[in-house]
Amino acid sequence: NAGVTQTPKFRVLKTGQSMTLLCAQDMNHEYMYWYRQDPGMGLRLIHYSVGEGTTAKGEVPDGYNVSRLKKQNFLLGLESAAPSQTSVYFCASSRQGTSSYNEQFFGPGTRLTVL
Amino acid sequence: RKEVEQDPGPFNVPEGATVAFNCTYSNSASQSFFWYRQDCRKEPKLLMSVYSSGNEDGRFTAQLNRASQYISLLIRDSKLSDSATYLCVVANAGNNRKLIWGLGTSLAVNP
Repeated sequence: NAGVTQTPKFRVLKTGQSMTLLCAQDMNHEYMYWYRQDPGMGLRLIHYSVGEGTTAKGEVPDGYNVSRLKKQNFLLGLESAAPSQTSVYFCASSRQGTSSYNEQFFGPGTRLTVL
Repeated sequence: RKEVEQDPGPFNVPEGATVAFNCTYSNSASQSFFWYRQDCRKEPKLLMSVYSSGNEDGRFTAQLNRASQYISLLIRDSKLSDSATYLCVVANAGNNRKLIWGLGTSLAVNP
């Protein structure tokens, strides 16, 4: 099993360009998440999904859109990139279950620089 | 005040030392607590959950103090491979799929 994979691993954009980050998981997890991690800010939730076809806003959703057309994929889009979106982006997934918490499994991250 | 606060360190300790990290949280209704480990330029990985009665996993011991709203992580007999950033994570009531992350405590174990 590959677990959670992310593409691309690195990307440099110019201000105003658009791009899509792809996350894929092969663990049949219901829940998927997009985070960004910045120095001094910690991990912050951008958007998340509790199942195929559903998405919800996290803590810092502005400037991003997401889609979950297939259970195994969660896409993060930047329509018009800004330098403030320079960050490391992590995708994660977790099971659905009756317990109050299920471990989140992370992808290796995408390092994005916006010039 | 941040919802989850940790001493950023760095903690520099020799191999074999015992080191402890604390983390405080602000929401008294928080229900679930965890320690994640993040190696340099890598993704976070779950180290251990923290239970009310305290729990141990090999050289690692986690404790929860609800009255004082803090959790702790004790590492005994430190190894070079323990060098990493340790992230304190809290899940609040009714929102258990969303986690509140601390900024992390950096540990460097030296030969």
